[in-house]
Amino acid sequence: DAGVTQSPTHLIKTRGQHVTLRCSPISGHKSVSWYQQVLGQGPQFIFQYYEKEERGRGNFPDRFSARQFPNYSSELNVNALLLGDSALYLCASSRGTSGQNIQYFGAGTRLSVL
Amino acid sequence: QKEVEQNSGPLSVPEGAIASLNCTYSDRGSQSFFWYRQYSGKSPELIMFIYSNGDKEDGRFTAQLNKASQYVSLLIRDSQPSDSATYLCAVNSGEYGNKLVFGAGTILRVKS
Repeated sequence: DAGVTQSPTHLIKTRGQHVTLRCSPISGHKSVSWYQQVLGQGPQFIFQYYEKEERGRGNFPDRFSARQFPNYSSELNVNALLLGDSALYLCASSRGTSGQNIQYFGAGTRLSVL
Repeated sequence: QKEVEQNSGPLSVPEGAIASLNCTYSDRGSQSFFWYRQYSGKSPELIMFIYSNGDKEDGRFTAQLNKASQYVSLLIRDSQPSDSATYLCAVNSGEYGNKLVFGAGTILRVKS
């Protein structure tokens, strides 16, 4: 079975631009979470979606938004990019949303903002 | 105080030795605890999870949980050079318990 797939793998943008990152969960998984990982730090929670509804939001500005589609895939959008948005963006999928649901990570999208 | 704290390392151990990685957390409501391994430039890979106090063993890995002390550890027996990576401790949190809060990770180096 395919794991969590993310696209694109790498992205270079300039300040002020907009970016859309995409994620397809493991088959049978209905929940998708997004994390940002800056070099030298652990992943930071951005959003979780379950059955197209937002189930959690981390401490990120409104420039960050996300949505989940009927096929459970998801998009993360970031507007007005800043240099500090340069990071590895990770998508994780799980069957449900309870704490005991294991989250499996995709390979990530590495975003560089110049 | 950080929500999840880990010693950043690097922790250096010789091949064949036991590596001991530690993690403390602040949210007493947390019920689920995870260890992820992350190789340089790659994404986190789950290696262990534990929900109950005590020890849980899987192959060369043992996770230990003490909720009273808010402490989680990971032991790696017979350490191999391929175990060299960053080990991330993660704890569930949030209204639905669905958010993972990660420590900054401990770098492990296994010397052959």
